[in-house]
Amino acid sequence: AQKVTQAQTEISVVEKEDVTLDCVYETRDTTYYLFWYKQPPSGELVFLIRRNSFDEQNEISGRYSWNFQKSTSSFNFTITASQVVDSAVYFCALIRTSGTYKYIFGTGTRLKVLA
Amino acid sequence: DSGVTQTPKHLITATGQRVTLRCSPRSGDLSVYWYQQSLDQGLQFLIQYYNGEERAKGNILERFSAQQFPDLHSELNLSSLELGDSALYFCASSPPPGQGNEQYFGPGTRLTVT
Repeated sequence: AQKVTQAQTEISVVEKEDVTLDCVYETRDTTYYLFWYKQPPSGELVFLIRRNSFDEQNEISGRYSWNFQKSTSSFNFTITASQVVDSAVYFCALIRTSGTYKYIFGTGTRLKVLA
Repeated sequence: DSGVTQTPKHLITATGQRVTLRCSPRSGDLSVYWYQQSLDQGLQFLIQYYNGEERAKGNILERFSAQQFPDLHSELNLSSLELGDSALYFCASSPPPGQGNEQYFGPGTRLTVT
């Protein structure tokens, strides 16, 4: 069975601190995709990244970085020097494309960045 | 502005009714995805269309149906509405393969069933 766990329900940090949001997934498939999305207080959804299971390279985009480790089935997201505008709910998702299509979201982590 | 439009923004209707939600993807995007976000179920993927054809199906109820038209806009039809269908419905579009991995989300339609 496929599952995505975001164990951190809510995290509070002070501005300029670094913060890592954890995402642990379960799948027996060798081919899958992992996503991160952001949902700010205004409510819209924002795509952040898609990673396929064959690409374990870490990625950095500005203050955002992602650490994909198949050995531990984790796809963690780090925000460096957090800002108040980073306050949002962040969702991790797993998509299984082989066999029966499955698209599974984690329950989200609410990040509060305090000024 | 993502370039994806959704109408209406808000919809209030009664149980047993039928509604249609509309989504227009970004220019050039061929894929449209529909998602539901509710307090009970969280975020769920409903269905994906690619260039008019159903590509993938998620947790879409039999009372719900969708289609993508030749001009690539998509409609999500919800019928025999129940209180539990109250949710935020998002659509997203994405570029054709090889032109990027991003998804672009519309602002959502908030459906309230009373």
